[in-house]
Amino acid sequence: NAGVTQTPKFQVLKTGQSMTLQCAQDMNHNSMYWYRQDPGMGLRLIYYSASEGTTDKGEVPNGYNVSRLNKREFSLRLESAAPSQTSVYFCASSELRATNEKLFFGSGTQLSVL
Amino acid sequence: RKEVEQDPGPFNVPEGATVAFNCTYSNSASQSFFWYRQDCRKEPKLLMSVYSSGNEDGRFTAQLNRASQYISLLIRDSKLSDSATYLCVVKAGTGRRALTFGSGTRLQVQP
Repeated sequence: NAGVTQTPKFQVLKTGQSMTLQCAQDMNHNSMYWYRQDPGMGLRLIYYSASEGTTDKGEVPNGYNVSRLNKREFSLRLESAAPSQTSVYFCASSELRATNEKLFFGSGTQLSVL
Repeated sequence: RKEVEQDPGPFNVPEGATVAFNCTYSNSASQSFFWYRQDCRKEPKLLMSVYSSGNEDGRFTAQLNRASQYISLLIRDSKLSDSATYLCVVKAGTGRRALTFGSGTRLQVQP
């Protein structure tokens, strides 16, 4: 019962460095998402992918890129990390239903940018 | 004004107590409502959806008040294991961008 698996769990970067957060789900879901969570704020959507081959910007996309590699995998890339990107990142997946928006989240990545 | 507002707490209650949280939302076109639970340093998990007529799941009761634009979560007979942060989630319209998360209300149940 893996569900949504994201790596790494922790990462420290220096300003300007790049990195990719990996996410994979084994529930055959069409939709996948990347959120960030900051203290005192709700989860904010960075990018999402409604289906394989499509990606769209969310609320806070600046400084990030994504790739929906296949139905299972959705990666998030920081090309040039900035201190403002210090956050906890969550990948999620869902199978859209009309009345039940059930998101399955990965265990999160704690990212610090120095 | 935030789209979804919650009292951050913490709400400190003894075991066995009844506790209620409210969540207000600003978009009157909001269509769907949910409560998620998030344990410390863990991922959020869906606790329950909120239906127009109100709904119950064991010790948990969720209600919606469209006129005043708020939803509530009532927890009866609190357990130590209920200690967590409860996130209010509101969906306005269709599409993947339509979900808005509140910043959460922290509950600490004490022995």
